[in-house]
Amino acid sequence: KAGVTQTPRYLIKTRGQQVTLSCSPISGHRSVSWYQQTPGQGLQFLFEYFSETQRNKGNFPGRFSGRQFSNSRSEMNVSTLELGDSALYLCASSPRQGQHIQYFGAGTRLSVL
Amino acid sequence: DQQVKQNSPSLSVQEGRISILNCDYTNSMFDYFLWYKKYPAEGPTFLISISSIKDKNEDGRFTVFLNKSAKHLSLHIVPSQPGDSAVYFCAASWGTGGFKTIFGAGTRLFVKA
Repeated sequence: KAGVTQTPRYLIKTRGQQVTLSCSPISGHRSVSWYQQTPGQGLQFLFEYFSETQRNKGNFPGRFSGRQFSNSRSEMNVSTLELGDSALYLCASSPRQGQHIQYFGAGTRLSVL
Repeated sequence: DQQVKQNSPSLSVQEGRISILNCDYTNSMFDYFLWYKKYPAEGPTFLISISSIKDKNEDGRFTVFLNKSAKHLSLHIVPSQPGDSAVYFCAASWGTGGFKTIFGAGTRLFVKA
């Protein structure tokens, strides 16, 4: 079974631009969560999607948004990029909502210049 | 507001010895705790978990201990192997249906041969 796939793996953008990251969960998994990892901060929860609906949201500004499609694939969008948005963005999937164990992709490393 | 804290950024252990990684939390609502391991250029992978109604869970060389009164959990690796060298994240979650998972900042474990 293929794991969680995130594209692209690396991305370089400049301040003010917007970016879209993609995540394909494990086949059959319907819950997708997004995290931001920065040095010394661990993984910060962005949001969780299940059945195309956002079920939970972390404490991030409205510039961060996401969506989930009917095939459970998810996208995350960051508008008006700031230097502080440089981070590793991780996507995780689980079979159903309420499943504590999550399966992570390798992440997309975003650098904002 | 760091609800999950891993106060040791790094730990160095000799091969064959015990590795003890610690984690403290502040939110009494957490009902499930997990440990994830992360190698460079890979996403975190689930290692072991424990429900808040238990105080110990064991899986091979890995044992997690939970002390609810102290709001403290620890991961013991015995015996430690060079392949265990990685970053270990402690995580805590709560809720039913939709839930949030809060991660610590991680502890980098070095196992010396």
